[in-house]
Amino acid sequence: GEDVEQSLFLSVREGDSSVINCTYTDSSSTYLYWYKQEPGAGLQLLTYIFSNMDMKQDQRLTVLLNKKDKHLSLRIADTQTGDSAIYFCAEKEDGGFKTIFGAGTRLFVKA
Amino acid sequence: EPEVTQTPSHQVTQMGQEVILRCVPISNHLYFYWYRQILGQKVEFLVSFYNNEISEKSEIFDDQFSVERPDGSNFTLKIRSTKLEDSAMYFCASSETGATNEKLFFGSGTQLSVL
Repeated sequence: GEDVEQSLFLSVREGDSSVINCTYTDSSSTYLYWYKQEPGAGLQLLTYIFSNMDMKQDQRLTVLLNKKDKHLSLRIADTQTGDSAIYFCAEKEDGGFKTIFGAGTRLFVKA
Repeated sequence: EPEVTQTPSHQVTQMGQEVILRCVPISNHLYFYWYRQILGQKVEFLVSFYNNEISEKSEIFDDQFSVERPDGSNFTLKIRSTKLEDSAMYFCASSETGATNEKLFFGSGTQLSVL
């Protein structure tokens, strides 16, 4: 069945780049997403990438997709303390209703 | 930005009791969802709801679970007879059209603890 795996923790220094990695199993996934969850809040969509793209950039965020290896990454440039949160990788099949999430990567940013 | 609101933020119940988790989706949204996250595990899809019907449900969503849109604004998840393993954070979400590339708006969750 569908599965999304990601590492649970990442710690970086303020100003460095953060790279959060994710692998997924469903080759029919059409969209791949990154959601962010801050303490006490719900998940918020950060960015998504369509499966026929390799890369998407949005300000400090860069998403890279390797379809062959089913590997997705989120790079945050110039990481700030406000970026400390849990980041969820997710996938969805075109026309489907359910989004499959990973367990989330907790990003710690040290000042 | 519009918000999905969930109440209560924390719910403690005894095993075997019924609980109702409440959500107010964004007003012009048509698709509604429940997800849950057991501590340390993945966020799991439970059910999607459209036009007063379940459109998709997961294996987790067995006969103990039900959803309802009792009026024009609320969307509820009922667990009929709670089990210890139902302890989790339950997230409600909504989207406008249900399209694949569309953003899901999530509430901040209800932490359910079954004792």
